[in-house]
Amino acid sequence: GESVGLHLPTLSVQEGDNSIINCAYSNSASDYFIWYKQESGKGPQFIIDIRSNMDKRQGQRVTVLLNKTVKHLSLQIAATQPGDSAVYFCAEKERNYGGSQGNLIFGKGTKLSVKP
Amino acid sequence: DAGITQSPRHKVTETGTPVTLRCHQTENHRYMYWYRQDPGHGLRLIHYSYGVKDTDKGEVSDGYSVSRSKTEDFLLTLESATSSQTSVYFCAISESGTGGYGYTFGSGTRLTVV
Repeated sequence: GESVGLHLPTLSVQEGDNSIINCAYSNSASDYFIWYKQESGKGPQFIIDIRSNMDKRQGQRVTVLLNKTVKHLSLQIAATQPGDSAVYFCAEKERNYGGSQGNLIFGKGTKLSVKP
Repeated sequence: DAGITQSPRHKVTETGTPVTLRCHQTENHRYMYWYRQDPGHGLRLIHYSYGVKDTDKGEVSDGYSVSRSKTEDFLLTLESATSSQTSVYFCAISESGTGGYGYTFGSGTRLTVV
């Protein structure tokens, strides 16, 4: 809920501008990455994902970039709107071994605040 | 959230009492997870299940137990609640297979231990 946004890095942008939210991941063996959006009082919502064999993927108004060399992931939101105000999390998944599904590991998140 | 329901949405309980949170899914997904979310810590995995009666511990499992007797239900129990377990608890589900591994989250349960 509201307490999710406390103690988080905050990005403040003007409505209509583009937003870039960054995430450093920890494990070079991770092969799948996801961005989630969490609005106040709600559960995280899937935004976009990318596999490690790609370096860019585009969705509707969102683009995810993956730089495996420096273990960096970014989420770009075009023409940011007030409804985009939320906490954004990246998550990484380790490569599967033996057919078992690796669990997701979540970053701590960035709070995006959109000024009208 | 479509296909996944958590109950209760809010609960206040006293220290030392047992508490059970319920997660119910209608998606027939194999994997179910319990997370807690606290300021400064993000989402931390408590326990997860990879099938009926198949569960395993996550990062912060001490003080919690889980059960999954049916595909659709995953219960989280605090045997003796402590103030440090005051948190927002999220359940998530995930389908197996070669598709995406993204989780679908429930709306959360806000638990306060006084």
